[in-house]
Amino acid sequence: EPEVTQTPSHQVTQMGQEVILRCVPISNHLYFYWYRQILGQKVEFLVSFYNNEISEKSEIFDDQFSVERPDGSNFTLKIRSTKLEDSAMYFCASLRGERGNQPQHFGDGTRLSIL
Amino acid sequence: AQKITQTQPGMFVQEKEAVTLDCTYDTSDPSYGLFWYKQPSSGEMIFLIYQGSYDQQNATEGRYSLNFQKARKSANLVISASQLGDSAMYFCAMREGGRNAGGTSYGKLTFGQGTILTVHP
Repeated sequence: EPEVTQTPSHQVTQMGQEVILRCVPISNHLYFYWYRQILGQKVEFLVSFYNNEISEKSEIFDDQFSVERPDGSNFTLKIRSTKLEDSAMYFCASLRGERGNQPQHFGDGTRLSIL
Repeated sequence: AQKITQTQPGMFVQEKEAVTLDCTYDTSDPSYGLFWYKQPSSGEMIFLIYQGSYDQQNATEGRYSLNFQKARKSANLVISASQLGDSAMYFCAMREGGRNAGGTSYGKLTFGQGTILTVHP
């Protein structure tokens, strides 16, 4: 069964550095999402992306964050200048979008640790 | 106000018994979807079951069923014949809004706080 693939599985970065989290969504999916989960807390929506543009973003998704689909297969989340509070698990998800009962398929996540 | 509320931080169940995980939601959108995901200790998010707001029957998927009470705005997950491998965090989530020209909903998911289920042998 096709899967959403995220790399790396764990990223350790110094505070203030830029980090790029990578995702390969399922190939025939049209809608893409990033979520984050701070340790022990609920999963929070960051941004959704469709037709090469952001369709919705949350308050968390400030100017430090950006997303890109550079080549038709990868979907990346960039954090420009990381802060300690950016430490979390980041999930990419994708959705085919043909029928309303389809679930978003999640990747296994990237654990981001800011030192 | 919380859009998704899971009031049980932790639940315990004996192997082979059934367990119900509670979820209540709040929305003014007449068209929405409710999802349950399982998150094992390894961290991945596994889709379990879906219930649409217009569905007439409660959803079932194998050992998982959804007790959907629309008037009460509740969508409780029932796991029958619990197995040790069911021990995990369980999240209820709602999708609302974000509709494309064909009417398909692609909106974001809003998650509850989760319930940690522990299955005892």
